[in-house]
Amino acid sequence: DSGVTQTPKHLITATGQRVTLRCSPRSGDLSVYWYQQSLDQGLQFLIQYYNGEERAKGNILERFSAQQFPDLHSELNLSSLELGDSALYFCASTPTGTGNTEAFFGQGTRLTVV
Amino acid sequence: LAKTTQPISMDSYEGQEVNITCSHNNIATNDYITWYQQFPSQGPRFIIQGYKTKVKNEVASLFIPADRKSSTLSLPRVSLSDTAVYYCLPPRSSNTGKLIFGQGTTLQVKP
Repeated sequence: DSGVTQTPKHLITATGQRVTLRCSPRSGDLSVYWYQQSLDQGLQFLIQYYNGEERAKGNILERFSAQQFPDLHSELNLSSLELGDSALYFCASTPTGTGNTEAFFGQGTRLTVV
Repeated sequence: LAKTTQPISMDSYEGQEVNITCSHNNIATNDYITWYQQFPSQGPRFIIQGYKTKVKNEVASLFIPADRKSSTLSLPRVSLSDTAVYYCLPPRSSNTGKLIFGQGTTLQVKP
């Protein structure tokens, strides 16, 4: 158990809909990272938050947004969903805002858009 | 952001030692070198991190030459359960906050 909790584990929704994925970091970790992994693809870095503020941005679509709340949990919002958004979405947490420490990953949310 | 180069895939047999080398030419003085392992449908798991020379833990060893422009992850006596994707993270990512994962090396361990 990494200590990072992602909910829900599975999500099936229709095209055009909006969903929210939730991530609770390890206790004490200030930084949260979001990734997208499509079938047989690599991990695509989406965005990072540190202590409530956006710190780094990757290839995140405009239809996607995220935020980190005062209790440090984070949510990834995906809107106007398309079939191609079907993927595993992972979040990870670290104590600081850099990658010089071990990052702990959650078990992911598998999103299926039909 | 510096990129890394590592083999796309490798095959091995149970009981063998596996060495996966990653090149990272654009490494800065304060960069660390980090490796992760990922099993299908699971989140990546940190394996090892080092700065120079050799680092060893219960899972793997990491060899870093003096120029630090490459690193070699060594897995001793692999088993079928070591079949996974192994990622070498670009050193610059450790300071920018962008934990960027490349395509990784898919290791297939055969019986």
